[in-house]
Amino acid sequence: DAGVTQSPTHLIKTRGQQVTLRCSPKSGHDTVSWYQQALGQGPQFIFQYYEEEERQRGNFPDRFSGHQFPNYSSELNVNALLLGDSALYLCASSLDSGLRNTEAFFGQGTRLTVV
Amino acid sequence: GDSVTQMEGPVTLSEEAFLTINCTYTATGYPSLFWYVQYPGEGLQLLLKATKADDKGSNKGFEATYRKETTSFHLEKGSVQVSDSAVYFCAPTRGSTLGRLYFGRGTQLTVWP
Repeated sequence: DAGVTQSPTHLIKTRGQQVTLRCSPKSGHDTVSWYQQALGQGPQFIFQYYEEEERQRGNFPDRFSGHQFPNYSSELNVNALLLGDSALYLCASSLDSGLRNTEAFFGQGTRLTVV
Repeated sequence: GDSVTQMEGPVTLSEEAFLTINCTYTATGYPSLFWYVQYPGEGLQLLLKATKADDKGSNKGFEATYRKETTSFHLEKGSVQVSDSAVYFCAPTRGSTLGRLYFGRGTQLTVWP
């Protein structure tokens, strides 16, 4: 059973550019959440997708956008990159069973460096 | 808002020592509580969880008990190994936020042989 897979693993971009990160959830999962983890910090919630719509969002600017496809995979897009966007981007998948103890499984992350 | 406070790191221990990493949380309602572990260069792995008051989560020799009265979920292990060296994150979540996790800064653990 493949777990959560993310691509690419590493990426270097220039300030002002745009980037797209991809995530395939664990088999059977229908909900995808994205987190940003700056060096030495804990992950911070960016947003969550369910049924191809953004269901909730953390405190991130509109430069951060996403998409979920019918097969539940997801993309994270960041426009007008800033140096401060350099971080590990983590995708987490879970199953919306209506229960409050939804368990999230994380991918290995995409390390984005903005120069 | 919801938040979590973890013991400041880094924590350095000798092999077979006893480990405690303190975690307290602020959350409305009845959160589920999780401990995640992050090994160098990797994503997060779920270590253990507890979903209601007085539940004890356990895995790989690690334990944590959901203490609603003190809003705490301290992580313990009786005898650590070098392979336990990692960053540990305590994270509450609650039903109204549909699985959103609230992470603190994490606690770096280094175990020496």
